Amino acid sequence: GAGVSQSPSNKVTEKGKDVELRCDPISGHTALYWYRQRLGQGLEFLIYFQGNSAPDKSGLPSDRFSAERTGESVSTLTIQRTQQEDSAVYLCASSFGTLTGELFFGEGSRLTVL
Amino acid sequence: AQRVTQPEKLLSVFKGAPVELKCNYSYSGSPELFWYVQYSRQRLQLLLRHISRESIKGFTADLNKGETSFHLKKPFAQEEDSAMYYCALRNWGGSEKLVFGKGTKLTVNP
Repeated sequence: GAGVSQSPSNKVTEKGKDVELRCDPISGHTALYWYRQRLGQGLEFLIYFQGNSAPDKSGLPSDRFSAERTGESVSTLTIQRTQQEDSAVYLCASSFGTLTGELFFGEGSRLTVL
Repeated sequence: AQRVTQPEKLLSVFKGAPVELKCNYSYSGSPELFWYVQYSRQRLQLLLRHISRESIKGFTADLNKGETSFHLKKPFAQEEDSAMYYCALRNWGGSEKLVFGKGTKLTVNP
């Protein structure tokens, strides 16, 4: 595809359940980022991948959050034992290297925890 | 720690009026500043970056290290400029983490 693709676009789950959010970056983009945006808030950095390694995972809020990336391709963000405060839009972005600082964003996955 | 502050959550101007969206940052190192924009029903995208010193869609932004600011300006606002604007910062040549402000919603009225 031409852009960053995220799935699902919407996810409603019950408190305590695990969820997986998927991101397909633009082909050839080596860097991949996950951000969280709560209602009325800015973008909160979660984790950044260069290839399949994560040099910076400082933004993961708790050990319930984890992410992995396969090569320079798909990434999955997993939230275990979801809580209501996890409700947010989860945005994925990719970039071709890191020189320009230009991130290409997906449309986001909206997570609602009941 | 890096911090980006956008003091105005909402900004409303009339078409043809000048507009300035404020951005202040807190960072001890050498920063690289960006403005990202999200139009209605579109994805977040890069508008401009300070190192390019370019004007995009009539917008300019100058990095003022003394005032730690990177305000976005346009002399004559257009209705199509209505959008959410986010200021962002990263460490020059260091960590690639891009830190965003909370955003300013700009509405340009006819």
